[in-house]
Amino acid sequence: ETGVTQTPRHLVMGMTNKKSLKCEQHLGHNAMYWYKQSAKKPLELMFVYNFKEQTENNSVPSRFSPECPNSSHLFLHLHTLQPEDSALYLCASSQDALPGGSYNEQFFGPGTRLTVL
Amino acid sequence: AQKVTQAQTEISVVEKEDVTLDCVYETRDTTYYLFWYKQPPSGELVFLIRRNSFDEQNEISGRYSWNFQKSTSSFNFTITASQVVDSAVYFCALSDLDTGRRALTFGSGTRLQVQP
Repeated sequence: ETGVTQTPRHLVMGMTNKKSLKCEQHLGHNAMYWYKQSAKKPLELMFVYNFKEQTENNSVPSRFSPECPNSSHLFLHLHTLQPEDSALYLCASSQDALPGGSYNEQFFGPGTRLTVL
Repeated sequence: AQKVTQAQTEISVVEKEDVTLDCVYETRDTTYYLFWYKQPPSGELVFLIRRNSFDEQNEISGRYSWNFQKSTSSFNFTITASQVVDSAVYFCALSDLDTGRRALTFGSGTRLQVQP
């Protein structure tokens, strides 16, 4: 595997289900990100992890719970979602997310298309 | 607050035509980066270019070129002699370094359709 991978690619769930999205990066990066892409809206940052520590939570509802067990893996645990949470969820990684350092471009995975019924 | 505006929601051209995608940004920061990403139907965002706010030189890469003008806060992207494979959604994005926030602020994207 190369780059950033995401599983599953498609997910349909009911509002009472609990599911998890998985992201894995094979680039040796230290920072990982979750973004949400809804129809007709710009990509919205959800969470940033840097060296396994969460450094940013962009006012995301608690029904989305991220987990970063190591620098290569990032999960997004989902529970009691709403239909408006249906979207493409994109994971990205970059070399690091350290303030003051030179910025590194983010590499994106193919996304998980989530549909909440 | 940061903002990226891509006023063109959808553009349709015929193969071999040149096309320019507009991007206008707003930021109070003096140090920032600008990006362009391509999102083909497969969904994955593909990095195209990064430009530092201190470097206003235009850049050309094959059929792609970028025009960065700080005076008008614009970072436009031109595809010369477009091809069907260029059909995708293109996103302009901004990151600031002054506040230390590392995430990207994306524009709403421009969908480019290149007809054969």
